[in-house]
Amino acid sequence: EPEVTQTPSHQVTQMGQEVILRCVPISNHLYFYWYRQILGQKVEFLVSFYNNEISEKSEIFDDQFSVERPDGSNFTLKIRSTKLEDSAMYFCASSEDPGGTGGEAFFGQGTRLTVV
Amino acid sequence: GQNIDQPTEMTATEGAIVQINCTYQTSGFNGLFWYQQHAGEAPTFLSYNVLDGLEEKGRFSSFLSRSKGYSYLLLKELQMKDSASYLCAVRDLGAPKAAGNKLTFGGGTRVLVKP
Repeated sequence: EPEVTQTPSHQVTQMGQEVILRCVPISNHLYFYWYRQILGQKVEFLVSFYNNEISEKSEIFDDQFSVERPDGSNFTLKIRSTKLEDSAMYFCASSEDPGGTGGEAFFGQGTRLTVV
Repeated sequence: GQNIDQPTEMTATEGAIVQINCTYQTSGFNGLFWYQQHAGEAPTFLSYNVLDGLEEKGRFSSFLSRSKGYSYLLLKELQMKDSASYLCAVRDLGAPKAAGNKLTFGGGTRVLVKP
């Protein structure tokens, strides 16, 4: 069964360092997303990406964050200068056309980011 | 914006039925999703409602009333492996340029299934 894969599964970084979280969405999906979940809190939307550009972003997704689809398979989230409060589980997701019969988002297993 | 409420925790017995309610207030509505999330794992899709009524998928059913801003997830014949958090998520219409599936999640309902 096709799945979204994320690497690494865990990342520990020092405050102020840059991190890149990697994702391989399901191959025939066209819509890509990043969500995050701080421990014990709800899943929060960060950004959606379609047709090689950001289609929507949340207030969390400030200038420290960027996304890229460097090739035909990878989708990355970069945090330029990490802060302690960026510590969270980051989920990548992908979907088909969301306006169709559901277009449910399929989530990767997540990258647990710890900023120390 | 979206506001989504669901109970924090529920306990039920193996073999029983549990109903998890979700209420929402939205500025736009384009479908409601239920996801299951085991601790430390990714949310996995369970069900989708965009029209009023009941959708049944095996042991799981989901109901939607758009006029009431209300949904529930019904879990039948509970098994120990059903112990997890159940997330209600609403998809909104998005910004005019947006093309996607932005989901706003509730805080999740932790279901504990006891023998």
